[in-house]
Amino acid sequence: QSVLTQPPSASGTPGQRVTISCSGSISNIGSKTVNWYQQLPGTTPKLLIYGNNQRPSGVPDRFSGSKSATSASLAISGLQSEDEADYYCAAWDDRLSGHVFGTGTKVTVL
Amino acid sequence: VQLVQSGGGVVQPGRSLRLSCAASGFTFSSYGMHWVRQAPGKGLEWVAVIWYHGSNIYYADSVKGRFTISKDNSKTTLYLQMNSLRVEDTAVYYCARDLSSGWYGVDYWGLGTLVTVSS
Repeated sequence: QSVLTQPPSASGTPGQRVTISCSGSISNIGSKTVNWYQQLPGTTPKLLIYGNNQRPSGVPDRFSGSKSATSASLAISGLQSEDEADYYCAAWDDRLSGHVFGTGTKVTVL
Repeated sequence: VQLVQSGGGVVQPGRSLRLSCAASGFTFSSYGMHWVRQAPGKGLEWVAVIWYHGSNIYYADSVKGRFTISKDNSKTTLYLQMNSLRVEDTAVYYCARDLSSGWYGVDYWGLGTLVTVSS
């Protein structure tokens, strides 16, 4: 049972904006940076956002991250069919002395 | 960045297994390294991290006392020694590089290796 809580699913039509939340506490999101990962079906996870809102080279600017207090969000604007995947947030947790992943959100493109 | 994993397979409960991860394409001694696992049909679970210098090591509670992470900077290889394996340890295990020293989380992932614990 993860300490970072995400909604199990999210969906949208092509072109829409979808937002995924990640709820934590002062010991993780509240004091540490958040990363986001995309896992396409049957593939290895890929870093999507690091340091709360930084995109690695090659990640489209349709993906954006933000953080406020003990919550973080990933936004996908201009949703495309290839965005259908599982998305995970992650952060270091001072209380657990380790990294934690969120529960994961499955994004479906309708 | 390349992370080439080996050592997975089928093992009986209570037995041991060692995973290896050969790294290349970056200065291995300058980066922290992680193991992350994913049980079939489940989400990602962080397992362990070792700091770039090897002196700081942290484990998930679920593996503490049973698993040991180590790195050989001269061989640019990461290891995970798994002892007293349980059925619930069945998962794809990913070797992964930290964004920096060990604090910041994973950037590059290996392809994963399946560990099945079954009698």
